[in-house]
Amino acid sequence: EPEVTQTPSHQVTQMGQEVILRCVPISNHLYFYWYRQILGQKVEFLVSFYNNEISEKSEIFDDQFSVERPDGSNFTLKIRSTKLEDSAMYFCASRVQGGTGGAQHFGDGTRLSIL
Amino acid sequence: SQQGEEDPQALSIQEGENATMNCSYKTSINNLQWYRQNSGRGLVHLILIRSNEREKHSGRLRVTLDTSKKSSSLLITASRAADTASYFCATDGYSSGGSNYKLTFGKGTLLTVNP
Repeated sequence: EPEVTQTPSHQVTQMGQEVILRCVPISNHLYFYWYRQILGQKVEFLVSFYNNEISEKSEIFDDQFSVERPDGSNFTLKIRSTKLEDSAMYFCASRVQGGTGGAQHFGDGTRLSIL
Repeated sequence: SQQGEEDPQALSIQEGENATMNCSYKTSINNLQWYRQNSGRGLVHLILIRSNEREKHSGRLRVTLDTSKKSSSLLITASRAADTASYFCATDGYSSGGSNYKLTFGKGTLLTVNP
C-alpha cells in the first residue's frame, strides 16, 4: 500500500538554526498538510497546500515557517530560525481530491529537538 | 475552540473485552474520523463517518455519531493486545479556506489491552 514517507526521522538542531523537514506524499494525492504534536499534547494543524499554494494556515504557522513543493514529489516544511518551543513531532499528511473531505494519510513523523 | 475532546483519557482492559471511547466536538462538521497512533509512529486512519450517517462498522470497529449532541463513540470489540495504542477523533469541516478539509484532533485516549 502506498505510504507517506518523511525524512529525517529525528532532527536535532541548535536554536536559531534553519531546518527543513521533508515529505514524499502518496503520488496521486493532491492535498498536502503539515501537523505538529508537542509531547503530551494534541496534534495541531499547521498548514494545508493545494495547487502549488497554501490554502490555509494556522496561527502557529508564522513568518518563520514556509512550505514548498519543489519538484512535484517532495513537500517540505522549513523553519527559518528555530526556537525551543518548536520542539515537537511534525507530521506530513496527504489525501486524494474529494468532494467532502476524506481520510488523510500520515507519515511516521520527524521528531524535531531544538537545543 | 476545543474541538474533538475524547474521554476517557486512558483506558485499560483485558484481552477479549470491548473498549469504548467517546469524543465531543463543538462546531459543524462534514465528517468525523478516528485515527490510531502506536507509540512513536504516525497516525493511521481507522474509519470515517459522515455528518448524515449515524453508525458505521468496519471489522471490529463500530462508530456512532450524534450530531445533535455533537458526540461520537468508537467501540472496539473483542480487543487484542495489538490494539494497544492512542486513539484520536478528528473533525473535518469547512474552513475559511473553503476546501482544504483540515483535521482538528482531540487529545486522544490511551488504550492498553492486557494479554
